[in-house]
Amino acid sequence: GAGVSQTPSNKVTEKGKYVELRCDPISGHTALYWYRQSLGQGPEFLIYFQGTGAADDSGLPNDRFFAVRPEGSVSTLKIQRTERGDSAVYLCASSRGPGGYEQYFGPGTRLTVT
Amino acid sequence: DAKTTQPPSMDCAEGRAANLPCNHSTISGNEYVYWYRQIHSQGPQYIIHGLKNNETNEMASLIITEDRKSSTLILPHATLRDTAVYYCIVRAHSSNTGKLIFGQGTTLQVKP
Repeated sequence: GAGVSQTPSNKVTEKGKYVELRCDPISGHTALYWYRQSLGQGPEFLIYFQGTGAADDSGLPNDRFFAVRPEGSVSTLKIQRTERGDSAVYLCASSRGPGGYEQYFGPGTRLTVT
Repeated sequence: DAKTTQPPSMDCAEGRAANLPCNHSTISGNEYVYWYRQIHSQGPQYIIHGLKNNETNEMASLIITEDRKSSTLILPHATLRDTAVYYCIVRAHSSNTGKLIFGQGTTLQVKP
């Protein structure tokens, strides 16, 4: 079956611009996660959705970052006033539920802020 | 969640067993040991997890010491496609969250 998909695969933007990154989870998965991975580092948790609600947003670095999942399926990560330090691979994962369920990751969106 | 310690890199000959160690000396009684791997330019992939008993699936085996302070992931017959970064993660099966806390992982290089 289809896995987690993310679009775009690559995004280049200028400092100060606004970007949206999209995640399509596996159908039926109620839990959705966003992570960020800088070069040479492990993925870093950003936010977790259970259904439509953000159950844990403790990893969002500041208020320039925001994510939504209005219908409990597709999610969009939004970054305002991008900075060069936001450059990273943004990974999305979904699972059948929270807790111990296996997380399935998408291929990521590589964001470059120039 | 407890932290883990892994060697930064390891080599393994193709066809031989790869044994990847992980220390998690502060693990709590309700925390599981998880292993994920990340092949270059891909998202992480789940491998296996366990609480205290040894576990085996089609990808690997997980050996957890009796005191649960360390574990070893075993790839019985490594292939070139197993070259990846391997992450050992400990987490509780809380109903409130399921976030994974990744460390630096071990870069496994399988050589012909």
